[in-house]
Formats: sequence, structure tokens, C-alpha cells
Amino acid sequence: AQSVTQPDIHITVSEGASLELRCNYSYGATPYLFWYVQSPGQGLQLLLKYFSGDTLVQGIKGFEAEFKRSQSSFNLRKPSVHWSDAAEYFCAVGIPSGNTPLVFGKGTRLSVIA
Amino acid sequence: GAVVSQHPSRVICKSGTSVKIECRSLDFQATTMFWYRQFPKKSLMLMATSNEGSKATYEQGVEKDKFLINHASLTLSTLTVTSAHPEDSSFYICSARKASDLFNEQFFGPGTRLTVL
Repeated sequence: AQSVTQPDIHITVSEGASLELRCNYSYGATPYLFWYVQSPGQGLQLLLKYFSGDTLVQGIKGFEAEFKRSQSSFNLRKPSVHWSDAAEYFCAVGIPSGNTPLVFGKGTRLSVIA
Repeated sequence: GAVVSQHPSRVICKSGTSVKIECRSLDFQATTMFWYRQFPKKSLMLMATSNEGSKATYEQGVEKDKFLINHASLTLSTLTVTSAHPEDSSFYICSARKASDLFNEQFFGPGTRLTVL
């Protein structure tokens, strides 16, 4: 079965600084990979997704992620964080084909300080 | 687009009553919908997989008699929390998968906050 690890429970970044949120997955082949963001009391918003092709994926709100097969990673990055980026971020894995739910990591809470 | 709605967004009920939460795919047909539960500051916990026209598949530890799921049409799945108790208070989120999807992409609803007094 696939699994997702987000090693950082909580990260604090200064506004304007760069950000990298880590995500590692376990799956026997190349999975589909997703990053979601959740603001308090809200649902999940898709930031970006990887299915195949170019391993550097651009998303909304200036986020990008890079799929590295050799490291089983799909880290999320942003060059300059804004205070509005403070939220909970979830990495998720899906199995290509098959009617199965996504498997989520435990999430990383991002705090942004002035 | 692929929009999923949930209704209600918030509900407060008394202990012992039943609450129904609706999950609708507004602009696509969804053969499969998933129901998740999220505790404060925690990740999403899959409760069940709902397939149109058939019985839902529940995850281990989820009481199917307590959390009744019905997926009667390609655009609507409902979750009914029966005889709700304070420990059922949580944030419930649904997601839907397009019938024609090849990539197993799921679209999430905005969630329903349930508070049981």
C-alpha cells in the first residue's frame, strides 16, 4: 500500500523568505502526486498535481513542486512567501488507474512571521 | 471546472439526533465519492468509499450503521450520522472522482462542520 510522509509538522518562515515543504512517498511505481492547501475551517484547495512528463510542476499562487523519482519525493517550493500563505499543507498520493482514494500525509502547518 | 459542494456547511445538533450531509458534484458526473473526517489540527481520515448504485465500502473501525452513506445518483452522495454524540463532532469532507477520469483526480468539497451538543 502506498504511504506519504511529511516530516515537518510545523514550519515558520519570515515573509519574503523562500519555502520548501517536504513530501516523501512509498509506492512501487510512479504515483500521481498532489499538494493541497487548507486554511482554518476551510476545505482543501488543489495547489498542483503531477501525473507524468515534466518533473517540475507549476501550480497556483506561485507554488511549484519537483518530482524526484530517485528520492521518492515531491517537495513543494515557493521563492517568496506571503503572509496569506499561512495554512496547512497536505501532500497526497494516488494510484494511477483504479478507483482508490488518495492517501494523505499528516500535513505541515506553515506559519509566516513579519 | 469541477466543483463539489457540501450542504450544510455548518450544523449544530443535540445528542441523539441524526444529521444528513450532502455532497454534490455540480458540473460533472461522479461514479465514486469519498468521505473523510478531519479532527482539529489533524490530517484527513478516510471513512468510506461511495459508489453510485452500490453499497459503500467502509474503512476499518468506521461503524457503517452509525455513518450511513447513500450514493443514489451520479451527482449526489449523502452521509447520515445517526444518533449523533459529542464525539462525532468533527469536520467532514467529501471528494468526488469524475466518471470519465483516467488520472484518479479527486475534487474536494468545502467541508461540513458538525457540532453535537
